[in-house]
Amino acid sequence: NAGVMQNPRHLVRRRGQEARLRCSPMKGHSHVYWYRQLPEEGLKFMVYLQKENIIDESGMPKERFSAEFPKEGPSILRIQQVVRGDSAAYFCASSTGQGLVSYNEQFFGPGTRLTVL
Amino acid sequence: RKEVEQDPGPFNVPEGATVAFNCTYSNSASQSFFWYRQDCRKEPKLLMSVYSSGNEDGRFTAQLNKASQYVSLLIRDSQPSDSATYLCAVKSTGNQFYFGTGTSLTVIP
Repeated sequence: NAGVMQNPRHLVRRRGQEARLRCSPMKGHSHVYWYRQLPEEGLKFMVYLQKENIIDESGMPKERFSAEFPKEGPSILRIQQVVRGDSAAYFCASSTGQGLVSYNEQFFGPGTRLTVL
Repeated sequence: RKEVEQDPGPFNVPEGATVAFNCTYSNSASQSFFWYRQDCRKEPKLLMSVYSSGNEDGRFTAQLNKASQYVSLLIRDSQPSDSATYLCAVKSTGNQFYFGTGTSLTVIP
């Protein structure tokens, strides 16, 4: 199955610890998006990356959050010094990013549910 | 103003009913439009892309009205298995996607 993979599926951290969330896009996809979803709320865009480049991070909190998509390996969303308010589901999606020819649908991974104690 | 707006519902309908959802978007330069389905605590799954000419997939029909900047989803003969949250997504120029907060549907047997 070449779907979007995320791990871990569940992550528990204590306040002040670091959380690292990983996302491997679908085969052939070079664009990765990270979203956060709080309970009973919609998907909130965080960051959009291509290989080795951050294209748009306008939805990312300015402190404690960072993201990367290295040339080799998965995309990583890193949250430093987590607080209780960071508890949420974090979804990764990928798309081909091909210009006008492809319709560029996004396909989502199963998400990582972060709980901060 | 939000990029994408949806009526959150909830829509509670009897089995067999026809239900319609609308979604409005603010950026007239938006290029692509999608409907996703999200079941409780699961990831969103692509239901259908919305083409300018409209498209139909079984009991589901999607329409796009660029002049009025809205996208619609029609579900005919709704089934209990259709119960979910339906998310409208709009792709702007530059490859960023914007999602609505979703419309909750419950189909009662």
